[in-house]
Amino acid sequence: DTGVSQNPRHKITKRGQNVTFRCDPISEHNRLYWYRQTLGQGPEFLTYFQNEAQLEKSRLLSDRFSAERPKGSFSTLEIQRTEQGDSAMYLCASSSQTDRGFGYTFGSGTRLTVV
Amino acid sequence: SQQGEEDPQALSIQEGENATMNCSYKTSINNLQWYRQNSGRGLVHLILIRSNEREKHSGRLRVTLDTSKKSSSLLITASRAADTASYFCAPLEYGNKLVFGAGTILRVKS
Repeated sequence: DTGVSQNPRHKITKRGQNVTFRCDPISEHNRLYWYRQTLGQGPEFLTYFQNEAQLEKSRLLSDRFSAERPKGSFSTLEIQRTEQGDSAMYLCASSSQTDRGFGYTFGSGTRLTVV
Repeated sequence: SQQGEEDPQALSIQEGENATMNCSYKTSINNLQWYRQNSGRGLVHLILIRSNEREKHSGRLRVTLDTSKKSSSLLITASRAADTASYFCAPLEYGNKLVFGAGTILRVKS
């Protein structure tokens, strides 16, 4: 297992289009998190899953955002009708609920640019 | 969930010097974690200190935790240019998720 994988690394899209990002977590990790980060800011929590159940979704997240984690493995984050304000780095992380001090493992992120 | 607040916002030092970053938080925690982020990359977990621990070491890193003051510090000794990055602290409440502050930007000049 080579860590958390995110695809694509970069995505440029026109305003109004839909985009979908994929995250493959570490296989033994049952928790998966999505964050969004803009320049000069820390990562902002979006949502997280424990296995296939979506346990929490940020109130800042509009209805245009949806995330899934079918079968508790990989996850997808979809943004519908993208806006310029959606331009950001989208980060995925995974962890084990029974972690013994290893924290979260983050992927390298997907950088979204909405033009 | 609560986020940590890092201080200072930015720090510039010479290679070989020590760098100290501080973190404050508000409520009871299970543990507190420190992460590093190089420009344009994902975060890398550096160290985790549990609420019943006071100090922890990992290589050139030393983390302290004072739960009575609700504060933590990260010390990087003998800094290198490769330590240039943003550093984030993240206090974790029981059963919750990590929430990040704005971080400390460290620049190590060679």
